[in-house]
Amino acid sequence: AQSVTQLDSQVPVFEEAPVELRCNYSSSVSVYLFWYVQYPNQGLQLLLKYLSGSTLVKGINGFEAEFNKSQTSFHLRKPSVHISDTAEYFCAVISNSGGYQKVTFGTGTKLQVIP
Amino acid sequence: DAGVTQSPTHLIKTRGQQVTLRCSPKSGHDTVSWYQQALGQGPQFIFQYYEEEERQRGNFPDRFSGHQFPNYSSELNVNALLLGDSALYLCASSWLNEQYFGPGTRLTVT
Repeated sequence: AQSVTQLDSQVPVFEEAPVELRCNYSSSVSVYLFWYVQYPNQGLQLLLKYLSGSTLVKGINGFEAEFNKSQTSFHLRKPSVHISDTAEYFCAVISNSGGYQKVTFGTGTKLQVIP
Repeated sequence: DAGVTQSPTHLIKTRGQQVTLRCSPKSGHDTVSWYQQALGQGPQFIFQYYEEEERQRGNFPDRFSGHQFPNYSSELNVNALLLGDSALYLCASSWLNEQYFGPGTRLTVT
């Protein structure tokens, strides 16, 4: 079975402070990892992805994430948040097995940036 | 490039009715997936279409069906609507292992 766990449902942080949103996954096969951001009443926007290669990936809006295979984690980080980063963030994994693609999302983390 | 588009934006239906949601994929993308996102939850995979066929399906009842057209656009149909079908329905088109999402259709069942 494949699963994604986002340990924090809500994360309040002051403006210009650093933030880390945690994501752990479980899968019996190799996976590709993604972070999406969702603003109120909108669809999902891709922030960054890990497909292969360097385990540190950089995305849009100053976000980055590090793939840690031994800890099965893909935590999202930003060194200094802005008010505009207030949104919900979803971690997702995609695996391919037997010609089929399986996509699993976490339950999301609401980031609230406090002025 | 217009990206992934969905219509309508919002929809209100009554229990027992049927609804059709539409999705146009990003240019060059041949695979379309549909997701249901209930309030306060992450997206749940409904099914995926490739080459006009349903390639795989999540844990949703047969009331949920779909179609993909030769131009890769897709429809999601839900029959015999239940109150619990109220959600944001997201369409995603993909190329290889990357998915791009549309803005969603907000369905309210009363």
